[in-house]
Amino acid sequence: RKEVEQDPGPFNVPEGATVAFNCTYSNSASQSFFWYRQDCRKEPKLLMSVYSSGNEDGRFTAQLNRASQYISLLIRDSKLSDSATYLCAVRGSSGNTPLVFGKGTRLSVIA
Amino acid sequence: NAGVTQTPKFQVLKTGQSMTLQCAQDMNHEYMSWYRQDPGMGLRLIHYSVGAGITDQGEVPNGYNVSRSTTEDFPLRLLSAAPSQTSVYFCASTGESSYNEQFFGPGTRLTVL
Repeated sequence: RKEVEQDPGPFNVPEGATVAFNCTYSNSASQSFFWYRQDCRKEPKLLMSVYSSGNEDGRFTAQLNRASQYISLLIRDSKLSDSATYLCAVRGSSGNTPLVFGKGTRLSVIA
Repeated sequence: NAGVTQTPKFQVLKTGQSMTLQCAQDMNHEYMSWYRQDPGMGLRLIHYSVGAGITDQGEVPNGYNVSRSTTEDFPLRLLSAAPSQTSVYFCASTGESSYNEQFFGPGTRLTVL
């Protein structure tokens, strides 16, 4: 089983739709979790960290389910500009362990 | 701050040639890493470093060497380039806490003929 798994998509949704991505991780000792956004031919950039209690940033909501070992990202009221690849990332039990990425989920928001 | 910088942006090599991909950061981060990204494969860790003088292997280290003589610089060396090393290479750095954001450089697009 891969350490971090995501549905590759693509997810094609109309503007204004709500879309959700899940990401599962295999290491139960993982301590920190992130969602990154990557535009075509660009470097990944942090979208949001994922906290145990869940967190929201505008139209974006991230949640962590430690019991089932997955994190989720919910995007409400999708915009054309949300079209990108979304990568989940997981880090182990200390700051010195590498960040492991899923393969990413492609989202296309259509007018 | 320039953040994480990488040079060159693009490079074409012939099989068997060697080269060094440069990476530098000006955020005084201890932790730096190199990833390669291939279609359908996601970001795969090549090597990483937790501080000057300390390096370790990631998931796909074969064919690559690294060194970390200063906090700022983390070059990646291809010893004898192979077509399988055609990829986009990203360097990244992170502050000490595991909750800190990992910053990426703009990437180097490498083609090996």
